[in-house]
Amino acid sequence: ETGVTQTPRHLVMGMTNKKSLKCEQHLGHNAMYWYKQSAKKPLELMFVYNFKEQTENNSVPSRFSPECPNSSHLFLHLHTLQPEDSALYLCASSQVEVAADTQYFGPGTRLTVL
Amino acid sequence: AQTVTQSQPEMSVQEAETVTLSCTYDTSESDYYLFWYKQPPSRQMILVIRQEAYKQQNATENRFSVNFQKAAKSFSLKISDSQLGDAAMYFCAYRIGSNYQLIWGAGTKLIIKP
Repeated sequence: ETGVTQTPRHLVMGMTNKKSLKCEQHLGHNAMYWYKQSAKKPLELMFVYNFKEQTENNSVPSRFSPECPNSSHLFLHLHTLQPEDSALYLCASSQVEVAADTQYFGPGTRLTVL
Repeated sequence: AQTVTQSQPEMSVQEAETVTLSCTYDTSESDYYLFWYKQPPSRQMILVIRQEAYKQQNATENRFSVNFQKAAKSFSLKISDSQLGDAAMYFCAYRIGSNYQLIWGAGTKLIIKP
């Protein structure tokens, strides 16, 4: 595996379910990100982890819970979601010491909340 | 407010022709970085080109070049010799200094006509 991988690629869940999204980066980066992408809207940054420590939390509802056990893995735990949470969830990683560091993205998880 | 505006929701161009995608941004900072990302229908977001704000010379990557007008806060992307594989959503973004957060535009859908 190379780059940034995400599983599952598609997820359908009810509002009472609990599920988790997984992201893994194989680039040796030290920062990882969760984004929400909705149609015709700018990407919304949800969480940032730098060296496994959460450094940004952009007022995300508590029904989204991130976990970063090490610098290569990132999870997004989901519970009691709402239909408006349906979107494409993108994971990204970068090397923060690099000036103008580029974020490398995974293919995303298409989430549908019924 | 930190914003990015992509005024063209959709653009189309004939194969082998040149197309320019517009982007304007708003920041009071002097140290920042600008990016164009491409998201093909497969959804993997990839970097197209980036520009450091302190550099006056416009960045170029093969068929892709930018027109960076710092005073006007404009950062347009020119694609020369358009190819079918260039069809995608194109997102403009910027990052301030060492801040992790990218500020994104809503994207421009580029259609390539054969």
